[in-house]
Amino acid sequence: AQKVTQAQTEISVVEKEDVTLDCVYETRDTTYYLFWYKQPPSGELVFLIRRNSFDEQNEISGRYSWNFQKSTSSFNFTITASQVVDSAVYFCALSEASNNDMRFGAGTRLTVKP
Amino acid sequence: DAGITQSPRYKITETGRQVTLMCHQTWSHSYMFWYRQDLGHGLRLIYYSAAADITDKGEVPDGYVVSRSKTENFPLTLESATRSQTSVYFCASSPNGRTGDEQYFGPGTRLTVT
Repeated sequence: AQKVTQAQTEISVVEKEDVTLDCVYETRDTTYYLFWYKQPPSGELVFLIRRNSFDEQNEISGRYSWNFQKSTSSFNFTITASQVVDSAVYFCALSEASNNDMRFGAGTRLTVKP
Repeated sequence: DAGITQSPRYKITETGRQVTLMCHQTWSHSYMFWYRQDLGHGLRLIYYSAAADITDKGEVPDGYVVSRSKTENFPLTLESATRSQTSVYFCASSPNGRTGDEQYFGPGTRLTVT
């Protein structure tokens, strides 16, 4: 079965620092999808990005960027110039095309201090 | 445009009681999912449904029952609640689970079993 590991349980940074959240995955499928979700203190889950296994192009969206490397089975997420509003729990998730079981990592709690 | 709603938002029940958590979506998405969120585990899939009258087990189905008589509703029942089922429950939907569509999450139900 697929597996997602987010080794960083908690990260604390000071505002304006850059921070990278790590995500390592395991799968035997050749077709799969990777996701990042944000869970702010209010509790809802907010979709951030989806990547399919055939698209290793990195993506940048404002202060957010994602680095997908199949060679290391990693899909890391970087926030540049962090802000207090970035404080949240961030989840990486993996969905294989062969089933409907999306697996989430345990999450990384990011605290950005003013 | 309600999207996906869950009720109740908070529930306290006693061990051994039956409790049903409701999930309703207005997008006519084919797929619906139930997850539980526990500290250190991220989100884990309980059950999912590909269409009305089609359901299947996820990673942690024991102690739960689901049904889906209508596309828009996907209730989750704990037939005899146990303390280990104290958790936050999220319902989600997606247009097509196997194409890597993002999942849209409800606001969650916080369930406490005493």
